[in-house]
Amino acid sequence: EDQVTQSPEALRLQEGESSSLNCSYTVSGLRGLFWYRQDPGKGPEFLFTLYSAGEEKEKERLKATLTKKESFLHITAPKPEDSATYLCAVRGYNTDKLIFGTGTRLQVFP
Amino acid sequence: NAGVTQTPKFQVLKTGQSMTLQCAQDMNHEYMSWYRQDPGMGLRLIHYSVGAGITDQGEVPNGYNVSRSTTEDFPLRLLSAAPSQTSVYFCASRPRGAGTGELFFGEGSRLTVL
Repeated sequence: EDQVTQSPEALRLQEGESSSLNCSYTVSGLRGLFWYRQDPGKGPEFLFTLYSAGEEKEKERLKATLTKKESFLHITAPKPEDSATYLCAVRGYNTDKLIFGTGTRLQVFP
Repeated sequence: NAGVTQTPKFQVLKTGQSMTLQCAQDMNHEYMSWYRQDPGMGLRLIHYSVGAGITDQGEVPNGYNVSRSTTEDFPLRLLSAAPSQTSVYFCASRPRGAGTGELFFGEGSRLTVL
């Protein structure tokens, strides 16, 4: 059964303090791993797709990386506006379903 | 460009009542899905559809029905509401195709069952 585990559950950072979020996954053939951002009271918003081990994607202060067992979302010099819940999801071959992790709630303080 | 529109945004039901959550998208996406989001449980897939006339079950389908008569609409029906169905419900869509996982989400429908 496809499974996604995210850690930590919550993370508090000072503005400018870089850190990483982890997404561990098990899937029978990875078609893609996806990162989303969710603000309170809103629907998730797509950030990145990673397809194969070694791949990296960047967007502003965020960089996502992928290995065969996990993905990291690195946040460099975060700002308060980066505060949100970050969700990881996977899709396996021969399926249309996306399976989500429970998310990491990030708070960045000035 | 409206994207994915969900109605209602908020609803309170009594146990045993039925209702329909509406979802419409204007992006001509073939794939549509319903998730529920609960604290500590993350997003869990209820039902999904890969095109008009085709639906399938997700992880937590019990107590919910769906139909897909058009590409644009994918309503979620609660047959007999239970307190365990108190949750935030999200509809999401995407183009169907290899490798695509970029789901477009609605704003959510917050349901309370008393």
